[in-house]
Amino acid sequence: DAKTTQPPSMDCAEGRAANLPCNHSTISGNEYVYWYRQIHSQGPQYIIHGLKNNETNEMASLIITEDRKSSTLILPHATLRDTAVYYCIAEISSGSARQLTFGSGTQLTVLP
Amino acid sequence: NAGVTQTPKFRVLKTGQSMTLLCAQDMNHEYMYWYRQDPGMGLRLIHYSVGEGTTAKGEVPDGYNVSRLKKQNFLLGLESAAPSQTSVYFCASTTGAYSNQPQHFGDGTRLSIL
Repeated sequence: DAKTTQPPSMDCAEGRAANLPCNHSTISGNEYVYWYRQIHSQGPQYIIHGLKNNETNEMASLIITEDRKSSTLILPHATLRDTAVYYCIAEISSGSARQLTFGSGTQLTVLP
Repeated sequence: NAGVTQTPKFRVLKTGQSMTLLCAQDMNHEYMYWYRQDPGMGLRLIHYSVGEGTTAKGEVPDGYNVSRLKKQNFLLGLESAAPSQTSVYFCASTTGAYSNQPQHFGDGTRLSIL
């Protein structure tokens, strides 16, 4: 699986958009980009994933660059409950055991 | 609406003791995984299973054994616990290959080895 690189920490003001970057310059054509978050050492929670196109769901938006070497997770109106560690992971989409390789993630702190 | 259930939630063991962690999922998922997470680090894969009766090694399998006798259950065993196995253990499940569906995680088992 492609290695991903994320900043170790970020702050965001409550109510503002949180933009979390991820570099995955070695990603291959069949690798999806997944985002999970972990709150207070609970089990990781799935947020969103995508292959080539931008994606949006009720939690967040995922913007993937045209060359697929980087992506940005956007939380449109961050709340205090969004404080968590966010993980960006590249997962091979077919024929594999579908293993996730977690890095250290980005600690997002939403400030009041 | 149970999803992935892990038992027990907490356990303290003495060095050399054995125990089994149970993971149960009610989503009819084919794939199941066991991870460990040490303080300040991401999750690391211990073992996984791609279907009933199958198991495979992940990144850090030493000191652990697993079994998948029923599709809904995935057991993680420590035969002779060591202090280095003090960690938080997470189980996850997902649908099979070609599905690109996310993994669903349990709430974890916090294990301390004295």
